[in-house]
Amino acid sequence: NAGVTQTPKFQVLKTGQSMTLQCAQDMNHEYMSWYRQDPGMGLRLIHYSVGAGITDQGEVPNGYNVSRSTTEDFPLRLLSAAPSQTSVYFCASSKAGANVLTFGAGSRLTVL
Amino acid sequence: AQSVTQLDSQVPVFEEAPVELRCNYSSSVSVYLFWYVQYPNQGLQLLLKYLSGSTLVKGINGFEAEFNKSQTSFHLRKPSVHISDTAEYFCAVSSGSGNTGKLIFGQGTTLQVKP
Repeated sequence: NAGVTQTPKFQVLKTGQSMTLQCAQDMNHEYMSWYRQDPGMGLRLIHYSVGAGITDQGEVPNGYNVSRSTTEDFPLRLLSAAPSQTSVYFCASSKAGANVLTFGAGSRLTVL
Repeated sequence: AQSVTQLDSQVPVFEEAPVELRCNYSSSVSVYLFWYVQYPNQGLQLLLKYLSGSTLVKGINGFEAEFNKSQTSFHLRKPSVHISDTAEYFCAVSSGSGNTGKLIFGQGTTLQVKP
């Protein structure tokens, strides 16, 4: 029972590079979301999805893209990385009606 | 708009002492409230949640929280802490009505348990 799996765990990018953070869940959860965690700021919602083919913006969506082609996967794309995107990223999922998020272990991204 | 404020960024406490981590929220609609814990270099785990019913909510590892609507608070308490409780704790509120899968988090409180 893997839960929510995020890859990679660590990544270093140069400014302007692009990359994709992967997120997969095996619990058949309808809802998936991406948060970023920065010191003193808690977790802030980047994008979320309530089902395959449906995505929406959260609090801090600029510089990030998402898509949800399957129930299981919810990748987060950085189109042109900036130092301000240095952060720890968490993917989470929840079952509709359950009101509880299950989090992945996180992906630490450094942009130089 | 909903918001969450955790009133202490760091709480140092000695082992076996009681602790309270404070959380205030603002919302114009009914809320669901949560406490999550993050151990070093790990993801977040649910400690407890308030959805409805009894205002005193018990969670894992001996933690409990009380929902106070008049004070708009959801403080987390434990009567006797252990070294293993050292972690960062996040209070969160559900965004919007019902279960939307989105949470608004507070800034976090680092609990430092000293021997």
